[in-house]
Amino acid sequence: EPEVTQTPSHQVTQMGQEVILRCVPISNHLYFYWYRQILGQKVEFLVSFYNNEISEKSEIFDDQFSVERPDGSNFTLKIRSTKLEDSAMYFCASSEVSAPTPNQPQHFGDGTRLSIL
Amino acid sequence: TQLLEQSPQFLSIQEGENLTVYCNSSSVFSSLQWYRQEPGEGPVLLVTVVTGGEVKKLKRLTFQFGDARKDSSLHITAAQPGDTGLYLCAGLDRGSTLGRLYFGRGTQLTVWP
Repeated sequence: EPEVTQTPSHQVTQMGQEVILRCVPISNHLYFYWYRQILGQKVEFLVSFYNNEISEKSEIFDDQFSVERPDGSNFTLKIRSTKLEDSAMYFCASSEVSAPTPNQPQHFGDGTRLSIL
Repeated sequence: TQLLEQSPQFLSIQEGENLTVYCNSSSVFSSLQWYRQEPGEGPVLLVTVVTGGEVKKLKRLTFQFGDARKDSSLHITAAQPGDTGLYLCAGLDRGSTLGRLYFGRGTQLTVWP
């Protein structure tokens, strides 16, 4: 069964450094998402992306964050200058169709654990 | 911000027992999705409920969407150790252009043999 893959599985970075998290969505999916989960807290929406544009972003997704689809298969999340509070699991998801079709599922990758020192 | 509250937060039962977990909100959602998450892995979709009052069954799991589309429940019959995991509900924001999901904190289920 096709799946969303994320690399690396664990990233350790010094505070203030840039980090890029990578995702390969399911091949025929057109809608892409990033979520994060701080240890012990809820999964939180960061951003949605379609047709090479951000469609929606949350208040968490500030100027330090950016997303890109550099080629036909990868979808990346960049954090420009990491802070301690960016430490979390970051999940990429993709879907074939989007809202307002309410029955469409989002398929999640296994996440990248980002640890900021 | 749309809040989804799940209860109980932790549930520990013996194999063969039945259980129900709840997902409640004051907000109306376009749909509600239930996921299961294992340690070190991403959420895996179990079911999506769309219509108020809808009931869906997945083997021993029964999912129900409230009539007002604000709440949902997951009932497991004759639980097995393989059902152990974190169960998450996530509501699809009605006003979202591309499917923003709001997650609950989850119910950690442990089924003992």
